[in-house]
Amino acid sequence: GAVVSQHPSWVICKSGTSVKIECRSLDFQATTMFWYRQFPKQSLMLMATSNEGSKATYEQGVEKDKFLINHASLTLSTLTVTSAHPEDSSFYICSARDIDGGTTEAFFGQGTRLTVV
Amino acid sequence: AQKITQTQPGMFVQEKEAVTLDCTYDTSDQSYGLFWYKQPSSGEMIFLIYQGSYDEQNATEGRYSLNFQKARKSANLVISASQLGDSAMYFCAMRERVGTGGFKTIFGAGTRLFVKA
Repeated sequence: GAVVSQHPSWVICKSGTSVKIECRSLDFQATTMFWYRQFPKQSLMLMATSNEGSKATYEQGVEKDKFLINHASLTLSTLTVTSAHPEDSSFYICSARDIDGGTTEAFFGQGTRLTVV
Repeated sequence: AQKITQTQPGMFVQEKEAVTLDCTYDTSDQSYGLFWYKQPSSGEMIFLIYQGSYDEQNATEGRYSLNFQKARKSANLVISASQLGDSAMYFCAMRERVGTGGFKTIFGAGTRLFVKA
């Protein structure tokens, strides 16, 4: 089956620094990638939809300047948490939809646990 | 307004028995997709099953089946012959169209399933 790789799996950073999370589709081309955030014991919250070669579409309430998304190629999207603070600590998950996916499944990365100290 | 409702925060089931996880949704779209995902304690999201709004047959994938009742707007997940490894968080999700040509996936709050030996 299709594989989406997310890196790193976990990261600890100091408050005020920036952290980049990568999401790669390993065996398919993904025109669309999604970034989610999950708070402990809560559901996923869609942060933004990333389309290759264009600006990401952010959900209401998500700060564009804080969560920078770049989808430079059909197999790679990155999420950069800028000037991270402890409240940004969370589980971040990406998913990618096959270029021919239409309304079918998008495949999820394994997630990145970010801890800001 | 809640678009995806999972009314069971937690459920217990005896090993080898079947269990039904409830999911109701709200949309005015005629074309939409319904998904179920499993999230074990490791955090990754695992796709289980998909049902398209126009699919007449209920979707089945191995031990998983989706009881789709369109008029009632419900998409319950049935797991037959529960296994200890089925203990996890289960999310119901709906993908619907937004704007022209775009999609959005909305997740329910999740149901934590505990399988007892």
